[in-house]
Amino acid sequence: NAGVTQTPKFRILKIGQSMTLQCTQDMNHNYMYWYRQDPGMGLKLIYYSVGAGITDKGEVPNGYNVSRSTTEDFPLRLELAAPSQTSVYFCASILTAPSSYNEQFFGPGTRLTVL
Amino acid sequence: QKEVEQDPGPLSVPEGAIVSLNCTYSNSAFQYFMWYRQYSRKGPELLMYTYSSGNKEDGRFTAQVDKSSKYISLFIRDSQPSDSATYLCAMSGTGSARQLTFGSGTQLTVLP
Repeated sequence: NAGVTQTPKFRILKIGQSMTLQCTQDMNHNYMYWYRQDPGMGLKLIYYSVGAGITDKGEVPNGYNVSRSTTEDFPLRLELAAPSQTSVYFCASILTAPSSYNEQFFGPGTRLTVL
Repeated sequence: QKEVEQDPGPLSVPEGAIVSLNCTYSNSAFQYFMWYRQYSRKGPELLMYTYSSGNKEDGRFTAQVDKSSKYISLFIRDSQPSDSATYLCAMSGTGSARQLTFGSGTQLTVLP
């Protein structure tokens, strides 16, 4: 298993450009998450999905959109990039089971700079 | 007030020292308490988790949770240079989305 993979690893965008950050997991996990991590800060939840076709907002969703058409893929879309979106983006997934804890597996991250 | 507070450090210790990392939280609904380790330019990886109050030991690592004080700790015994990383505490309730709330992370350097 490759686990959680993210592409690209790095990207520089100009203000106003758009892009899609890709996230794929091959563990048949039902829940998937997008986080951003700013320097010296913890991870903040952007969006999450509890299954194909179901998405919901996290703590910091403004400026982002997501879709979940398959179990494996959970892309994050930035429509009008702003300098405030300069960050490291992590995708994570989890196979949930009732009444138990299940580990969130993280991808390696995408470093995005908006100039 | 943040839901989860964590001293950002940085923390620098000599090899072999005992390291204590701590977080406080305000949300009484948190039931699962995790410690993630994040090496530079990598994604976080789960180090330990504890359900509700109590202690859990795994090799050189011990996690403690005191729900009455809303305080969690991670102890590292006989610290090694390979332990140098950022340590993030994280918590979740029993809600269906299993969302995690993270502390800001403590950067640890273990000097040889």
